[in-house]
Amino acid sequence: DGGITQSPKYLFRKEGQNVTLSCEQNLNHDAMYWYRQDPGQGLRLIYYSQIVNDFQKGDIAEGYSVSREKKESFPLTVTSAQKNPTAFYLCASSGQRTTGNTIYFGEGSWLTVV
Amino acid sequence: AQKVTQAQTEISVVEKEDVTLDCVYETRDTTYYLFWYKQPPSGELVFLIRRNSFDEQNEISGRYSWNFQKSTSSFNFTITASQVVDSAVYFCARTPGGGADGLTFGKGTHLIIQP
Repeated sequence: DGGITQSPKYLFRKEGQNVTLSCEQNLNHDAMYWYRQDPGQGLRLIYYSQIVNDFQKGDIAEGYSVSREKKESFPLTVTSAQKNPTAFYLCASSGQRTTGNTIYFGEGSWLTVV
Repeated sequence: AQKVTQAQTEISVVEKEDVTLDCVYETRDTTYYLFWYKQPPSGELVFLIRRNSFDEQNEISGRYSWNFQKSTSSFNFTITASQVVDSAVYFCARTPGGGADGLTFGKGTHLIIQP
């Protein structure tokens, strides 16, 4: 089935550790995105990539890093520099690398710092 | 980014009632796109509608309808004859403006449909 796959669904991290969230899509989409959602809040853009080997910071990029070595994959690393990483993380993609295209979302990953 | 405001944090209605979710957005652009998404308890965001700023026609899809009014910068969403399965958090979003990619989201409206 075509879609966006995020893993793991649930992840626990100790303070001071880096963790990487996986996002894979088989929709042949050019653009990919990472959003963060906190309880009672809307989604906020962390990073996005419109093409392989290129990515741009979103509104809340501090403490996060990404890579886009393959079209299908856009992993997000939550570093120890992120002060409050506990949140729900959503990966998304869209078919064309121009603004205004419909963005489709994965099922999300819950990250909890313990 | 240009803001999106969903003033209704939570709405609770009884099944079969009609309900309207409000969305007001800021804009300094001539061209922009507006969206609605549904987030059920499972967490995934489900795309509902995309509308560009040049198309002010209202749209109806089954029990769902959308009213886009540029004069008031609003893009409201109405569910007719609500059902329990409509219970979810609904997000309004817009393109951020200034040529940036991604979407700017409102904080969402939690809709509860009681049987």
